[in-house]
Amino acid sequence: RKEVEQDPGPFNVPEGATVAFNCTYSNSASQSFFWYRQDCRKEPKLLMSVYSSGNEDGRFTAQLNRASQYISLLIRDSKLSDSATYLCVVNIIRGGSYIPTFGRGTSLIVHP
Amino acid sequence: EPEVTQTPSHQVTQMGQEVILRCVPISNHLYFYWYRQILGQKVEFLVSFYNNEISEKSEIFDDQFSVERPDGSNFTLKIRSTKLEDSAMYFCASSEALTLSISNEQFFGPGTRLTVL
Repeated sequence: RKEVEQDPGPFNVPEGATVAFNCTYSNSASQSFFWYRQDCRKEPKLLMSVYSSGNEDGRFTAQLNRASQYISLLIRDSKLSDSATYLCVVNIIRGGSYIPTFGRGTSLIVHP
Repeated sequence: EPEVTQTPSHQVTQMGQEVILRCVPISNHLYFYWYRQILGQKVEFLVSFYNNEISEKSEIFDDQFSVERPDGSNFTLKIRSTKLEDSAMYFCASSEALTLSISNEQFFGPGTRLTVL
């Protein structure tokens, strides 16, 4: 099983739609979780951290399910500008240290 | 707004040559990182650096790689003898504190695209 796994998509949705992405991780000792956004040929940018209780930032909601070892990202009222690749990042323990580990990303295309 | 900068934006080199990729982290940040992303693949952690020494490194970061903070502003990644499979985008990042903190953000530079021929 991959350490951090995401459905690569692409998710092709109309403007205004609600879309959800999941990410699973294999190491139950993982401590911190993040969603990053990466535009084509650009650097990753932090979208939001994921807290145990779940958290919301405007149209974006992140959830963590430790029992099932997955995190999710919900985007409401999709905009054209939301088109990007969404990267799940988990700090995975390895050899006693925490290593930031990225998923391959989920591609989102929002069309008019 | 402060940002991480990287030079060059694109580096082309011959197999076996040494390359040095340069980064200027955000000035009040204490932790520095290098990642690579092979075209079409995921971002992979290479190394983290704090207080003038390596904090963590991945299995990718073998003896061919080294990092240095030669002065108060630059942070460099050296690849001693490049291989074809080193072709990738290399991202530098910096953060105020250790990335374990959920409230801590890593800021990424725009990347250096390395092409090994």
